[in-house]
Amino acid sequence: EIVLTQSPGTLSLSPGERATLSCRASQSVSATYLAWYQQKPGQAPRLLIYGASNRATGIPDRFSGSGAGTDFTLTISRLEPEDFAMYYCQQYGSLPAFTFGQGTKVEIK
Amino acid sequence: EVQLVQSGAEVKEPGESLKISCKTSGYTFNTYWIAWVRQKPGRGLEWMGIVHPGDSDTKYSPSFEGHVTFSVDRSISAAFLQWSSLEASDTATYFCAKLRAMGRIAAAPLDNWGQGTLVTVSS
Repeated sequence: EIVLTQSPGTLSLSPGERATLSCRASQSVSATYLAWYQQKPGQAPRLLIYGASNRATGIPDRFSGSGAGTDFTLTISRLEPEDFAMYYCQQYGSLPAFTFGQGTKVEIK
Repeated sequence: EVQLVQSGAEVKEPGESLKISCKTSGYTFNTYWIAWVRQKPGRGLEWMGIVHPGDSDTKYSPSFEGHVTFSVDRSISAAFLQWSSLEASDTATYFCAKLRAMGRIAAAPLDNWGQGTLVTVSS
């Protein structure tokens, strides 16, 4: 089973700043099979990025994804107030489990 | 509009059985895998597995196999998650979600989610 490790655990930033979130896999993941989700308290997760770099429907272009192999990055170019939330990466290329990372919390500094 | 609407919160005692539902609409139910994801209070997301509504094929995460059962009812476009004997450690919010790719492709992200069902197991 592929283990995904996200860093940092918490990112304290101000609105307007750039956020860089990391997701490292225990073994190589095809970029085709890496996704990022956003989750706010009391809500279901929302798909942001799939295939490592493709924005899902309706996702603003301040969100971007990159990476390959075992290292992937989610970047939020300029944080808006509504972007302060939890973020999870997920690999969906290797069963028996399409594992999630443990999450990064982006909080207001 | 694609919608996944889950059944309401449940409070159960250890050893009891439970079946929660995920009612879908706005797309061809039989064509897309449905996933189940667990989130314990204050914790991250855990992949439980997937079920294909077309033929009820299932793929369970080893962490959950044998403890939960996935099923579907094609006549009402609904998926179900059930336990025969709950444990206190099953206390969590459970999400259903639709995989993005059509057909038998399981390698796909989760593009539409239910609102979650909180299951509390306590004596």
